[in-house]
Amino acid sequence: SAVISQKPSRDICQRGTSLTIQCQVDSQVTMMFWYRQQPGQSLTLIATANQGSEATYESGFVIDKFPISRPNLTFSTLTVSNMSPEDSSIYLCSVIPGLAGVNEQFFGPGTRLTVL
Amino acid sequence: AQTVTQSQPEMSVQEAETVTLSCTYDTSESDYYLFWYKQPPSRQMILVIRQEAYKQQNATENRFSVNFQKAAKSFSLKISDSQLGDAAMYFCAYRSLPYSGGGADGLTFGKGTHLIIQP
Repeated sequence: SAVISQKPSRDICQRGTSLTIQCQVDSQVTMMFWYRQQPGQSLTLIATANQGSEATYESGFVIDKFPISRPNLTFSTLTVSNMSPEDSSIYLCSVIPGLAGVNEQFFGPGTRLTVL
Repeated sequence: AQTVTQSQPEMSVQEAETVTLSCTYDTSESDYYLFWYKQPPSRQMILVIRQEAYKQQNATENRFSVNFQKAAKSFSLKISDSQLGDAAMYFCAYRSLPYSGGGADGLTFGKGTHLIIQP
């Protein structure tokens, strides 16, 4: 299993600013992901955070808007840049201990972001 | 790209009764993995049950079982003896085989079904 913590748990930000969300895992994991959950919606994969290389972004998400760092196997950050009210969402970090496949994917508690 | 459809935005069931949540998916892949996750008001995502597509036998976890129909691309969740603690959003999710390329190891989620348990 994996225990994931995220900081901050919530924040209220002004339009045009940036926020960096931290994700810390209690064990080394290969697979780490960032998801967005817009109000009342499902989870959408933003990107796969790759250790030591650039993240792999899903369609509709770009590095300039959502830069991701993954300096080691237990930590990652997601930055939401130049925020607008449409970025108001819950952002979740997620990991798979070991290989993917049928293995359980664990989720952090999420960061609730409100952009005014 | 794969898509997951949950056609029931909300379901209600009496405590101790049985309820079935529907999920269909679209894929051109022959092998993959399917999951049901639960998200209570705490927002914490909790794995309920998982199924490997190559296995014909339906997965079961205590009061939770699935009806996996590969040809129909259907993956419904049955909750028996419903309890108040089962009240949550339930998400059906799909994952490709490892190393299939770009985000394949991540999950594709349906829109979710809000399950209400009536005491």
